[in-house]
Formats: sequence, C-alpha cells, structure tokens
Amino acid sequence: DGGITQSPKYLFRKEGQNVTLSCEQNLNHDAMYWYRQDPGQGLRLIYYSQIVNDFQKGDIAEGYSVSREKKESFPLTVTSAQKNPTAFYLCASSIEPRLNTEAFFGQGTRLTVV
Amino acid sequence: AQKVTQAQTEISVVEKEDVTLDCVYETRDTTYYLFWYKQPPSGELVFLIRRNSFDEQNEISGRYSWNFQKSTSSFNFTITASQVVDSAVYFCALSGFDTGNQFYFGTGTSLTVIP
Repeated sequence: DGGITQSPKYLFRKEGQNVTLSCEQNLNHDAMYWYRQDPGQGLRLIYYSQIVNDFQKGDIAEGYSVSREKKESFPLTVTSAQKNPTAFYLCASSIEPRLNTEAFFGQGTRLTVV
Repeated sequence: AQKVTQAQTEISVVEKEDVTLDCVYETRDTTYYLFWYKQPPSGELVFLIRRNSFDEQNEISGRYSWNFQKSTSSFNFTITASQVVDSAVYFCALSGFDTGNQFYFGTGTSLTVIP
C-alpha cells in the first residue's frame, strides 16, 4: 500500500537524550514536512524539505534536526536542546511543492519525556 | 503574513443536526490554496478538500459542503445531517505560491456529535 509510515507510534525519552523519529514514504513525493501538535495550538511546522539533500527550518526548528539523504526518508531528531519535547509529531509529504497540492500525513508519533 | 483562524475551539451537536465550521485566513499571496483536513482520534490527518484562490464556486461532496468567500477571506465547512463518525478535530490550512508553499494550519475545531 502507498503511504507514509511513521515509527514508533509511542516513544519515551529520558531528559538529556536525543531521539530520532522515523518517517518513510513510498508515494514518490518530492516534499516532506515535520509538524508538532500540542493541545490547542494546532500544527506547527518544524522543518520541511522540497528536494533530496535540501531542507529548510520552519517556525519552531530550535532543538530539532533533520536529514534528507533519500527521497523516501525524512527522519527527525529531537535533541536535548529541545526544552519541552513532549508532543505529538506528524510527518507529511506532498507531490510537488510548487503545485500546492495537498499533503498526506502519517499516523504520528507521540513523544513523552519521562 | 500567512495566518489561519478557527475561532471555534469546540462544538457539540446532536446527531442529524447541521453544523458549520468557520475558517478565516490572511495572506499577501495573490495565488493561494485552502484546505480542510479531518483528524479522527487515531491521529492521522485526512485530506478533505483543496481549493485555489481563483475558484470561488461552492463545492458539495455528499454531506459535506464548502463555502469560499474571497471578499470576507473565509472558507467555511458545513456538515449536513451530522453523524457520530463525524466526531473529530477539523483543521483549515493555507498554502501560498509566493511564500514557499508551506502549509499554515489553524488551531482546529473539535467537533463532537452526540447520538
């Protein structure tokens, strides 16, 4: 089946640890995105990538890092510099960003700091 | 700046009632696109509709309809004869050609349909 796969679904992190959230898509989409969702705040853009080996910061990039070495993969690392990482993280992709087509979303990863 | 406002945080309706979810946007782009997504309890956002700024025709898809009014910068979503399965959080979003084609989301409206 074509789609976006995020893993793991639930992730627990100790304070001071870095963790990496996986996002894989087999839709052959050029653009990929990472969003953070907190209660009452909607979705906020962390990073996005419109092409392999290129990515841009979104509104809340501090404390996060990404890579885009392959078209299919856009992992997000939550570093120890992120002071409040507990949230729901959503990965998305779209066919061609210049066409402003809709984004398709994964099922999300819920990260909790313990 | 790009901004999407969904003033209704939570709405409750009784099954079979009609309900309208409001969306107001701000943009300096001359060409832009508006979207609605549904987020059920499972968490994944489900795409519902995409509309470009040059097409102000209303759209109907089954029990769903959308009213786009450029004059008031609004893109409202109506569910007719609501059902329990419509209970979800609904997000309105904006993407602009001149602003890097990023998606800007509203804060969402949580809809509860009471049986």
